[in-house]
Amino acid sequence: NAGVMQNPRHLVRRRGQEARLRCSPMKGHSHVYWYRQLPEEGLKFMVYLQKENIIDESGMPKERFSAEFPKEGPSILRIQQVVRGDSAAYFCASSSGQLTLYFGPGTRLTVL
Amino acid sequence: GQSLEQPSEVTAVEGAIVQINCTYQTSGFYGLSWYQQHDGGAPTFLSYNALDGLEETGRFSSFLSRSDSYGYLLLQELQMKDSASYFCAVRGFSGNTPLVFGKGTRLSVIA
Repeated sequence: NAGVMQNPRHLVRRRGQEARLRCSPMKGHSHVYWYRQLPEEGLKFMVYLQKENIIDESGMPKERFSAEFPKEGPSILRIQQVVRGDSAAYFCASSSGQLTLYFGPGTRLTVL
Repeated sequence: GQSLEQPSEVTAVEGAIVQINCTYQTSGFYGLSWYQQHDGGAPTFLSYNALDGLEETGRFSSFLSRSDSYGYLLLQELQMKDSASYFCAVRGFSGNTPLVFGKGTRLSVIA
C-alpha cells in the first residue's frame, strides 16, 4: 500500500511565478491536510479538504493561496505570484477519518 | 483556538531516559498526539492519548493528564537514531478539526 505521495519534492520558482504542489493520499483515504513548515519551526496548519470540499481553510493566507481536492486526481495546493516568504516545506497528510495523520515526504519550495 | 508549549531542545545520553513535556490550551479537546520528524524527513505518528494515563509502545510511552492540560513523551533506552524533532499535537472539538502542532522539541542523543 503506497504511502502519501507528493510531487515535486523540490520546486524552485522566481518571484511572481506560480507554484503547484500535488498530493496523492494513501489509498482509501479521503481526508487531506496541508501544512507548511519553516526551518526550525513547527507545522502550521493551512487547509483541510475532503473529496471536492474544503472543510477548514482557516490557516490559508487570504490571497494568492488556494487548494482543491477533486473527485478524481490529486489534491493541489496552488500559490500564485510567489514571494520569498513563501519558501518553506509544504507537507500533505491524509487520513481515513481516523485520528492518525500520514504525512507525505513534502515539497521544498524555494523562491528566488 | 489551540496552543501548545514544549521545550525547544533537549540533550540526553545514549541509553538514558528522556521526557519531553507538552502543555496545551484548547477550547475543545479530542486527544493529544506525538509525532517524530528526522531532519529532512516527514513527520511520523508515534502515539495518541485520548484518556488520562500512560500508553506504552515499545521504548516509547506517552502520558496524558486532561485536568492539567499536560502530557509527555517518554523515550527509554535512547539510541542515536532517536535524534530528531518531536511534536505534540491536539485536535479541538472533534476528529474533524485539524491537528494543531507545537513548535517541536529537538532531541539530540549523544554518546
